[in-house]
Amino acid sequence: ELKVEQNPLFLSMQEGKNYTIYCNYSTTSDRLYWYRQDPGKSLESLFVLLSNGAVKQEGRLMASLDTKARLSTLHITAAVHDLSATYFCAVLPISGGSYIPTFGRGTSLIVHP
Amino acid sequence: EPEVTQTPSHQVTQMGQEVILRCVPISNHLYFYWYRQILGQKVEFLVSFYNNEISEKSEIFDDQFSVERPDGSNFTLKIRSTKLEDSAMYFCASSEENFYEQYFGPGTRLTVT
Repeated sequence: ELKVEQNPLFLSMQEGKNYTIYCNYSTTSDRLYWYRQDPGKSLESLFVLLSNGAVKQEGRLMASLDTKARLSTLHITAAVHDLSATYFCAVLPISGGSYIPTFGRGTSLIVHP
Repeated sequence: EPEVTQTPSHQVTQMGQEVILRCVPISNHLYFYWYRQILGQKVEFLVSFYNNEISEKSEIFDDQFSVERPDGSNFTLKIRSTKLEDSAMYFCASSEENFYEQYFGPGTRLTVT
C-alpha cells in the first residue's frame, strides 16, 4: 500500500520568511502533484512533476521531485498572507499500470503579517 | 476561463436513500474523475472514467457507487443506498490527458442523516 507523508501538517510563518513543505512517499512513483485548497473551497492544481529532478516554479512557490529519495518539496519564498491555505501532495504510482493517486494529509499554512 | 461545475452544492439525504451528484466537466476534456474529502481529512480518489468506461476505481468505490456520462456534457456519481459515513465533500475533476493537469469543480457537500 502506497503511503504518502507530508510534514509539517501545520505551519505558521511570518510574511517575508522562507519555508519548505516535504512530501515523502513509500513506493516508486510515476507522477507527483501539488494542490492548494482554500478553506471551504475546491482544489487548485499547482504543479505536476513528471520525472526525477523536475523543478517547477510559479511565483513564490517552487516544487521539486527526487524520485530516488521518494521525496518532493514545496518551497515557499518570502511568504505573503495570500499563500495561507492547505497544500496537498498526491502521488501516482507506477506499478502494474494502475493509476490510483494517493494524497498526503495536507499542510495547513498560515502566514501572519 | 472554462471551469468544471457541480450540482447541487449541498445535498442532505437520509440514510438508505439514493443520491446522484452531477458534474459538467470542461468541454474538450476526455478524462473525468470523482474524489471525496471527509471533513478535515485528506482527499481520496474514487474513480476515473474515459471513453464511457471506468478506467480505475479505488477500494472505496464499491457496488454502492456508480458513474455515468448520460449525455455529452454531464458526468454523474450515484450512491445507491447512502450510509452515514458517505457524508463528505465530493469533487469532480476533468483533464485533457490521463491524470495530467486536473481541474476540479467546487464540490458537492453530501450530508447523510
